[in-house]
Amino acid sequence: DAKTTQPNSMESNEEEPVHLPCNHSTISGTDYIHWYRQLPSQGPEYVIHGLTSNVNNRMASLAIAEDRKSSTLILHRATLRDAAVYYCILRGYSGGGADGLTFGKGTHLIIQP
Amino acid sequence: EADIYQTPRYLVIGTGKKITLECSQTMGHDKMYWYQQDPGMELHLIHYSYGVNSTEKGDLSSESTVSRIRTEHFPLTLESARPSHTSQYLCASSEFGRVTEAFFGQGTRLTVV
Repeated sequence: DAKTTQPNSMESNEEEPVHLPCNHSTISGTDYIHWYRQLPSQGPEYVIHGLTSNVNNRMASLAIAEDRKSSTLILHRATLRDAAVYYCILRGYSGGGADGLTFGKGTHLIIQP
Repeated sequence: EADIYQTPRYLVIGTGKKITLECSQTMGHDKMYWYQQDPGMELHLIHYSYGVNSTEKGDLSSESTVSRIRTEHFPLTLESARPSHTSQYLCASSEFGRVTEAFFGQGTRLTVV
């Protein structure tokens, strides 16, 4: 499985934008970039995914580098409820194996009021 | 809202007891997964299933076993619980494919005394 590298932790202030980076230099052409987050005492929840183009949804935006070796999850206006561990994962299978649904250590995002 | 349920939410049990952690989903997903997560640590995939009568071991070796007799049900069993099994167990499901969203349950926090 292609691996991802994320900072262990990041800190931001409430109501400010947050940019969470992820490096995936060994990404293959068919790997999708997915982001999940895990709130305290909860199971992970899906945030967003993309292949090549930047993506937006109600939770966040995903900016993907032109060479696809890195991506950035953008929370436009962080709230205290966004404090969580954010995971960047690559999903490269079409059905076999665990569909690439393996998680690394993620980035622990701390939001200061 | 995710339609995936885990019971019990919390379980304290004595050493040597047999336990079964329940996981059910009502979304008709073929793929289901079990993860183990110690406090503050990353998720480790311990089992997954492609569908009925399919079970596979994940990246982390586990003494637990799983079964998949019905699409919606993916229970995890420990024949003889030990203190080293103390952890949080998370269940997830998804459709096949690289672009599908995985849904996670709330988890079962197991303590073996």
